[in-house]
Amino acid sequence: NAGVTQTPKFRVLKTGQSMTLLCAQDMNHEYMYWYRQDPGMGLRLIHYSVGEGTTAKGEVPDGYNVSRLKKQNFLLGLESAAPSQTSVYFCASRPLGGIGETQYFGPGTRLLVL
Amino acid sequence: RKEVEQDPGPFNVPEGATVAFNCTYSNSASQSFFWYRQDCRKEPKLLMSVYSSGNEDGRFTAQLNRASQYISLLIRDSKLSDSATYLCAVNQRSQGNLIFGKGTKLSVKP
Repeated sequence: NAGVTQTPKFRVLKTGQSMTLLCAQDMNHEYMYWYRQDPGMGLRLIHYSVGEGTTAKGEVPDGYNVSRLKKQNFLLGLESAAPSQTSVYFCASRPLGGIGETQYFGPGTRLLVL
Repeated sequence: RKEVEQDPGPFNVPEGATVAFNCTYSNSASQSFFWYRQDCRKEPKLLMSVYSSGNEDGRFTAQLNRASQYISLLIRDSKLSDSATYLCAVNQRSQGNLIFGKGTKLSVKP
């Protein structure tokens, strides 16, 4: 099993450009999450999904959209990138079950917005 | 008060030292607790879940104090390879959203 994978690994955007980050998991997990990690700020939840076709806002959703059309994929979109969105983006997933279940993270996508 | 707070660090210790990390959480309804390890430029990886009775895995011991609302991680006989950032995480909702502390960086020196 590959676990959680993320595409691309690194990207440079100009302000105003759009892009989509792809997260894929092959563990049949129900829940998927998008976080951003910035120096001094820790991991912050952007959006999450509790199942195929459902999404919900996290702590810092502004400027991002998500879609979960297939159970194994969770897409994060930036419609008009801003320098404040320069960050490392991590996707995570976890199985359906008690809240004692922990999350498994992808390797991250480093995004630089100029 | 932040929902989850950790010692700011960094901790610089010699090999063989014992080091302790603490993490406090503000919501008494929190139900699950975890310690993650994150190496430089890598993703967080689960180190240990923290159980009410406390749990140990080799040189690592995790404890939970619900009355005082904190969790701890003790590393004994620290190794160079223990150098990393340690994140605590708390889960308090049925959706499984984890709330992370900002992490404490540990550097183990020869």
